Amino acid sequence: EAQVTQNPRYLITVTGKKLTVTCSQNMNHEYMSWYRQDPGLGLRQIYYSMNVEVTDKGDVPEGYKVSRKEKRNFPLILESPSPNQTSLYFCASSLRPAPNEKLFFGSGTQLSVL
Amino acid sequence: AQSVTQLGSHVSVSEGALVLLRCNYSSSVPPYLFWYVQYPNQGLQLLLKYTSAATLVKGINGFEAEFKKSETSFHLTKPSAHMSDAAEYFCAVSGAPSRGKLQFGAGTQVVVTP
Repeated sequence: EAQVTQNPRYLITVTGKKLTVTCSQNMNHEYMSWYRQDPGLGLRQIYYSMNVEVTDKGDVPEGYKVSRKEKRNFPLILESPSPNQTSLYFCASSLRPAPNEKLFFGSGTQLSVL
Repeated sequence: AQSVTQLGSHVSVSEGALVLLRCNYSSSVPPYLFWYVQYPNQGLQLLLKYTSAATLVKGINGFEAEFKKSETSFHLTKPSAHMSDAAEYFCAVSGAPSRGKLQFGAGTQVVVTP
C-alpha cells in the first residue's frame, strides 16, 4: 500500500531533550516536506527536500533540523525542544517538486514538550 | 508571495443541506489551488485541485469548487451534506516557482447536525 509513515504517533518529552520524528514513504517520491499544524494557523512548512541531499528552509525552520540521506526517509530532528514546539507535525511527499503536484500526508505526530 | 484566507473557522450545517466553504487567495503568479480534508486523527487528503484546465473542478465525495479569477476565490461546495463530511477543510495555494510548496489557509471545521 502506498503510504507515508510517521513515527511515533504521540510523543511527550521535556525541554532540551533531543528527539527525532521519523518519516518514510514507499512511493519513490522526490519531494518531501515537514509541516506543523497549530489551531487557527493552519499548516506551516518547516523544511522541505527536492531530492536526496537537497533540503531547504520553509516558513518556520527555527529549532528544527532535517536530513535526506535516502530518497525514502526524511527525519525531523529537534536538537533542544522547547514548549513552543508543542504541536501536531505532518510529513508529506509528492512525486515531483512541482507546484501542481498532489501531496500525500502521514497520519501525524502529536508532540508535547513540557 | 501567495496566501490564502478561509472565511469562517467553524461551519455548522444540517444533514442534507448545502455545504459552502469560502476561500480567497492572493498570488502574484497564476495559481494552483487545492482543497484538502482532514478527518479526525488522520492526515490530510486531497479533495480536489485547480490547475487552469477548467474553472469548475469536481473532486471526491461529491465536492466541487469553482475558480473565479475576478473574485480571487475558490469556494468549495457540496449540494447535500452527509454526516461523514464532518472534518476540517483546508484551502491551499501554490504557484511557480514555489516547486512544491503549498501555502495553507487556517482551516474550516465543519460540523454536520442530524
